[in-house]
Amino acid sequence: DAGVTQSPTHLIKTRGQHVTLRCSPISGHKSVSWYQQVLGQGPQFIFQYYEKEERGRGNFPDRFSARQFPNYSSELNVNALLLGDSALYLCASSLSTGEGETQYFGPGTRLLVL
Amino acid sequence: GESVGLHLPTLSVQEGDNSIINCAYSNSASDYFIWYKQESGKGPQFIIDIRSNMDKRQGQRVTVLLNKTVKHLSLQIAATQPGDSAVYFCAENSNAGNMLTFGGGTRLMVKP
Repeated sequence: DAGVTQSPTHLIKTRGQHVTLRCSPISGHKSVSWYQQVLGQGPQFIFQYYEKEERGRGNFPDRFSARQFPNYSSELNVNALLLGDSALYLCASSLSTGEGETQYFGPGTRLLVL
Repeated sequence: GESVGLHLPTLSVQEGDNSIINCAYSNSASDYFIWYKQESGKGPQFIIDIRSNMDKRQGQRVTVLLNKTVKHLSLQIAATQPGDSAVYFCAENSNAGNMLTFGGGTRLMVKP
């Protein structure tokens, strides 16, 4: 079975540009979460979606937005990119948002902002 | 805010030895903990989890221990192999749904 897939794998942007990252969850999973992982640190929670609705948001500016589609795939959008947005962006899927639901991560999209 | 952290940033062990990776958490209300393994260039891979109503859980070659009294979590890997070399993260399941709070990670290096 296919795991969580993300696209693109790598991306280079310049400051001020915007970016859209995509995620397809494991088949049957209805919840998608996004995390930002800066080099040398643990992932930090950005968003969680379930059944197309936002269920949680981390401490990130409004430049970050996301949405979930009827097929449960998701997009993460970042506007007005800053150098500090350079990171590995991880998507994780789970069956639901219940506490204790195991989250399975994709390989990530590595974003470099120049 | 409260967070999950790790005692040792790097752990070097001999192949075949047992490894112990430690993690301290500060949110006493947390009741679900997970260990992830992250290899270079890959996303975190689920290893094992434990709920707060347990103090020990075993998997294949791995054991997680939870000490709620001192808010400490550990991952034990038996007969460590070169393929175990990676960064290991403990994560806490936030009370507010299923959002994970990660620690900073421990790099495990296995010497042949």
